[in-house]
Amino acid sequence: EPEVTQTPSHQVTQMGQEVILRCVPISNHLYFYWYRQILGQKVEFLVSFYNNEISEKSEIFDDQFSVERPDGSNFTLKIRSTKLEDSAMYFCASSSTSGLSSYNEQFFGPGTRLTVL
Amino acid sequence: RKEVEQDPGPFNVPEGATVAFNCTYSNSASQSFFWYRQDCRKEPKLLMSVYSSGNEDGRFTAQLNRASQYISLLIRDSKLSDSATYLCVVKRSFQKLVFGTGTRLLVSP
Repeated sequence: EPEVTQTPSHQVTQMGQEVILRCVPISNHLYFYWYRQILGQKVEFLVSFYNNEISEKSEIFDDQFSVERPDGSNFTLKIRSTKLEDSAMYFCASSSTSGLSSYNEQFFGPGTRLTVL
Repeated sequence: RKEVEQDPGPFNVPEGATVAFNCTYSNSASQSFFWYRQDCRKEPKLLMSVYSSGNEDGRFTAQLNRASQYISLLIRDSKLSDSATYLCVVKRSFQKLVFGTGTRLLVSP
C-alpha cells in the first residue's frame, strides 16, 4: 500500500540553526501539506502546496518557514532559525486530486520529531 | 472559542462496551467532517468520514448534525485495540484540516 515517508524520524538541533525536514508523498498525489503537533497539544495546519506554490498557510507559517518541492518526489519544510517553541512533531501529508471533493483523504506520514535545544 | 471542541477524556471502558464521543465545531462554513485515530506518538489515520445522512463502518457509527454543529462517534463492542486518541476533524477550506484536541479511549480487559 502506498504511503507517505518522512526523514529523519528524529532531528535534534541547537536554537538558531536551520533544519530541513523531508517528505516523500504518495507518488500520484499532487496536494501536499505540513502539520505540526506540539507534545500534548492538537495537530495544527501549517501550509498546503499545489502546482509548485503555496495554496494556503496558517499564521504559524511565518517568514522563518519555507516549503519546496525540489524534484519530482521530495517535499521539504525548512525552518531557517529554529526556536525552542519549534520543538514538535512535524507531519507531512498528501492527497490526490480526484475531483474537487472536500472529502478527499489526506494521508499522513509517520512524522519527524524535532527537538530544539 | 476553539474551532473544534472535544472532551479530552480519558474514557475508561471494559471490552465489549459501547462508547460515544461528541464533538462541536464553531464555524458553520465547515465543509466536511472526519474522525481520525491517533495512537501514541504516531500519525493521525483516517477512521471514517462523516456524512450528513450518518454512516456506519462495522462497529463504528458517525453522525453529523449541521444545525447544531455537532458530530458524534459511536463504537460498539469495544476491543483492546480500540485504545487510542480519537480526533474530531473538520475541513473549512478545500484543503486545511482543523483538528480537535482529541478524546482518549482506554479499553481494559
